[in-house]
Amino acid sequence: NAGVTQTPKFQVLKTGQSMTLQCAQDMNHEYMSWYRQDPGMGLRLIHYSVGAGITDQGEVPNGYNVSRSTTEDFPLRLLSAAPSQTSVYFCASSLGPQPYEQYFGPGTRLTVT
Amino acid sequence: GQQLNQSPQSMFIQEGEDVSMNCTSSSIFNTWLWYKQDPGEGPVLLIALYKAGELTSNGRLTAQFGITRKDSFLNISASIPSDVGIYFCAGQPPNTGNQFYFGTGTSLTVIP
Repeated sequence: NAGVTQTPKFQVLKTGQSMTLQCAQDMNHEYMSWYRQDPGMGLRLIHYSVGAGITDQGEVPNGYNVSRSTTEDFPLRLLSAAPSQTSVYFCASSLGPQPYEQYFGPGTRLTVT
Repeated sequence: GQQLNQSPQSMFIQEGEDVSMNCTSSSIFNTWLWYKQDPGEGPVLLIALYKAGELTSNGRLTAQFGITRKDSFLNISASIPSDVGIYFCAGQPPNTGNQFYFGTGTSLTVIP
């Protein structure tokens, strides 16, 4: 199993551009989440999904959209990038709610200029 | 959102020393998790705690779920160079589905 994969690994955007961060898992996990990690802030939940077709907002959802058309994929869309969205983005998946363990992808480092 | 205070922010220790770090919250949690993150990688789960007062070990690591449900502690005994990394706590409040809130991390440096 590849586990949780994320692409791209690095991305530079100009303010106002849009893009999609890709996340895929091959473990047949129902739960998937997107987090952003900023210096001194820890990880903050952006959006999460408890199964195909079901998504919900996390702690910091503004400026991001998600959809979950398949169990395997959970893309994160930035509609109009802003410098405040410069961050490292992590996707995670788990078999279900706790006590199931969350597995994290390697991250995407995004810079918005 | 929830505030999780993690301390210390960073630690520099000699190889072989023991390490202690903790996480406190202003509200109660149902679950506490401890993760380790290596540079350029995603966090990896070390220990999960599900009941107040629970004490769980994973090799040289021991973590406890505080009796008030507002704090948790992680201890590493006899540190080795590969313990270097950033350690995060994460907590799940009641009635929040799968939402976890993360601490700000403790950066550990082990000097050989």
